[in-house]
Amino acid sequence: AQSVTQLDSHVSVSEGTPVLLRCNYSSSYSPSLFWYVQHPNKGLQLLLKYTSAATLVKGINGFEAEFKKSETSFHLTKPSAHMSDAAEYFCVVVHNTDKLIFGTGTRLQVFP
Amino acid sequence: DAGVIQSPRHEVTEMGQEVTLRCKPISGHNSLFWYRQTMMRGLELLIYFNNNVPIDDSGMPEDRFSAKMPNASFSTLKIQPSEPRDSAVYFCASSLAHGWGPSSYEQYFGPGTRLTVT
Repeated sequence: AQSVTQLDSHVSVSEGTPVLLRCNYSSSYSPSLFWYVQHPNKGLQLLLKYTSAATLVKGINGFEAEFKKSETSFHLTKPSAHMSDAAEYFCVVVHNTDKLIFGTGTRLQVFP
Repeated sequence: DAGVIQSPRHEVTEMGQEVTLRCKPISGHNSLFWYRQTMMRGLELLIYFNNNVPIDDSGMPEDRFSAKMPNASFSTLKIQPSEPRDSAVYFCASSLAHGWGPSSYEQYFGPGTRLTVT
């Protein structure tokens, strides 16, 4: 069965420094993977998705993620954090094409 | 585009009462999902519809929960009777799926309904 593990429940960075949110996946076949972001008291918004095309995926707001099959990872990165990036981030895998399986989330704090 | 609309945004009710949550998906989307988010269990898929037909309700906790989609622009999630452990944020999401299963395509989430059962 497909699953995702988000390795950090909380990540804190200073504004202007790089962001790294880690995600490992488990899948018996080539997965479709997503990153969603949830700002406080808001619904979830798609940041980016991987569907077996280019392994480096660019998303909105300067985020990108790299699919590494050898490491079963799909880490989310951003070169320079902004205060508005403070939110909860979810790594997601598609299960059998009809369900999204969400990770437990990583709360990103950005300090000035 | 107004996005996915959910009502009410907040609901406080007493144990034993019936609760109805409402969702209007994005016009033209053919798949609709109901999720529940709690601190303990994270985000859980409760049920989803494709072309107004329930496809998978295996995530519905128990018979107290029911969902309907009478037409392409409206869905309800009902809890009867409600219990304190049902307190959570309930999200509705919609997508436009063609070919592969609906979850392979971007889901657009509503702002959620925060339910508190006392």
